[in-house]
Amino acid sequence: GAVVSQHPSWVICKSGTSVKIECRSLDFQATTMFWYRQFPKQSLMLMATSNEGSKATYEQGVEKDKFLINHASLTLSTLTVTSAHPEDSSFYICSARRRSRNTEAFFGQGTRLTVV
Amino acid sequence: KNQVEQSPQSLIILEGKNCTLQCNYTVSPFSNLRWYKQDTGRGPVSLTIMTFSENTKSNGRYTATLDADTKQSSLHITASQLSDSASYICVVSRVRAGGTSYGKLTFGQGTILTVHP
Repeated sequence: GAVVSQHPSWVICKSGTSVKIECRSLDFQATTMFWYRQFPKQSLMLMATSNEGSKATYEQGVEKDKFLINHASLTLSTLTVTSAHPEDSSFYICSARRRSRNTEAFFGQGTRLTVV
Repeated sequence: KNQVEQSPQSLIILEGKNCTLQCNYTVSPFSNLRWYKQDTGRGPVSLTIMTFSENTKSNGRYTATLDADTKQSSLHITASQLSDSASYICVVSRVRAGGTSYGKLTFGQGTILTVHP
């Protein structure tokens, strides 16, 4: 199976600072990557969809200036939480879709963000 | 409205027992249905994926069924193990505009399974 790696696995940051989360497809090229947010005991909520080389498409209610997404290559997408606040504390998960196959998405292991 | 509903919300069983999780969906037009296992603090891991024409698929002790007519799916776990304790998520994909088979995913809220020794 394809491997998607997120880094870091967890991060603690102070309010007002910015945090960058990386999502890498290790053994395949990902034309599309997805970023999700998950609160405790809830399901994944799609935040945005990013296609390599183009601007991300954000879901309704997600602030694009707060959650900056960059998908500069076929193997890397980054999510930057800017001016983080305690309410941004959550579990962030990325998934990546292969370039040549359109039925499967592989998830990263997630990043636990805690803003203090 | 495109929705995926899972039941039960949570389930506790003894090690070695079998269990069945349910998923009902109203997502249309349907492309495929996946079951994922998500351990606490980890990302989801795919168990099975089924398209419209498939009505059963197995992956070890996991067997998923799909009835596209009634828009129902189940995940059956046999001979449960302690490591099966996790959240099981049903995810349905719509056909994308233009007819290609991958589209936006609709997630169920998950069933939290706890296996006790």
